Amino acid sequence: GAGVSQSPRYKVAKRGQDVALRCDPISGHVSLFWYQQALGQGPEFLTYFQNEAQLDKSGLPSDRFFAERPEGSVSTLKIQRTQQEDSAVYLCASRQSPLAGGRNEQFFGPGTRLTVL
Amino acid sequence: TQLLEQSPQFLSIQEGENLTVYCNSSSVFSSLQWYRQEPGEGPVLLVTVVTGGEVKKLKRLTFQFGDARKDSSLHITAAQPGDTGLYLCAQRRPGYSGGGADGLTFGKGTHLIIQP
Repeated sequence: GAGVSQSPRYKVAKRGQDVALRCDPISGHVSLFWYQQALGQGPEFLTYFQNEAQLDKSGLPSDRFFAERPEGSVSTLKIQRTQQEDSAVYLCASRQSPLAGGRNEQFFGPGTRLTVL
Repeated sequence: TQLLEQSPQFLSIQEGENLTVYCNSSSVFSSLQWYRQEPGEGPVLLVTVVTGGEVKKLKRLTFQFGDARKDSSLHITAAQPGDTGLYLCAQRRPGYSGGGADGLTFGKGTHLIIQP
């Protein structure tokens, strides 16, 4: 496709369940980012990949959060033993290259809205 | 971590009016980006400003970067209902050891509603 796609678009989980959120970046984009956006707030950085390498995971809120990008394209964000405070929109973004000059343009997907009951 | 303060948090005005929203920081920006996010969608980049005092125009939107690169404003002339959305300012997070820009730090945004 032409843009970043994410699935599912909506996910409802019971507290304690594990969830997996998928991101398909723009084809050929080297860099991939995950963000968490709480209701009414701006996105907050979670983690960053360059190809298959996870270079920065400092934004992951706890060890229940895990992200992977094994072949350098599709990425999955996994949340184990979900808690109510995990309820948010999870955004994925991709960028063509690691060094994107002044524009540093990331292209965002529509997000997955996770609701934990 | 550099905090980005956006104001106002909420703004509701009538179609045809002008408005300005602000993004401020206690530290100097290397560069600043403005995004618009519509409900159910991801943020879309509007503009990147790099040089102190820089002014960029995008149709009815005018973006200004403060001389000291610690503040920025977005002015909309003759607002339209299609301008409704969440306006976010963002800057690069500090680069990681691998180099390059690695993710963005966003402000909390201004929720803008343009009523017909």
